[in-house]
Amino acid sequence: GQQVMQIPQYQHVQEGEDFTTYCNSSTTLSNIQWYKQRPGGHPVFLIQLVKSGEVKKQKRLTFQFGEAKKNSSLHITATQTTDVGTYFCAGQGVDYKLSFGAGTTVTVRA
Amino acid sequence: SQTIHQWPATLVQPVGSPLSLECTVEGTSNPNLYWYRQAAGRGLQLLFYSVGIGQISSEVPQNLSASRPQDRQFILSSKKLLLSDSGFYLCAWTVDFYGYTFGSGTRLTVV
Repeated sequence: GQQVMQIPQYQHVQEGEDFTTYCNSSTTLSNIQWYKQRPGGHPVFLIQLVKSGEVKKQKRLTFQFGEAKKNSSLHITATQTTDVGTYFCAGQGVDYKLSFGAGTTVTVRA
Repeated sequence: SQTIHQWPATLVQPVGSPLSLECTVEGTSNPNLYWYRQAAGRGLQLLFYSVGIGQISSEVPQNLSASRPQDRQFILSSKKLLLSDSGFYLCAWTVDFYGYTFGSGTRLTVV
């Protein structure tokens, strides 16, 4: 199956700043999904991208799917303390199996 | 509405003891069910998935097993736990593959 790499592993952000986390797959994906896991919690589904080059926004979060459907990014603007947690991308191949990246753990300095 | 229940929330078990974790889904029929394990500070590793009653696919060879005795019930078991089985076990479901819904997880510590 596909292998999904995610960088950076850790992101320390000053409150109010922007940051981006990146996700790369070893194979072309059917879709890519993003999840957020708060400290001590379980992953919660944020969004799914299906089309090549697709861009979706959720308030301050912007998700993008690459043209080749092998990479994705999550950009957060004006980071807030509520953004703390680990963000996972997960790639779904033609076999419908979901492979998770290792996640980007975000901490915010007030 | 659909809900997923997973228990227990935490578990401390001695090496060599058996394990049984249960997951049930409500409010949907014929879900695809998954067991994932998350090591501390790491990503999620797919252990088992099931597309129907009695159908189990294993992703990682290990001393764990899974069963699906009913449509909305998924059980993770072990006959003899190892230290390396410690981790955060998460059950998840999806019907249309548009996002997975995770249970609240079981934190297992093998001592």
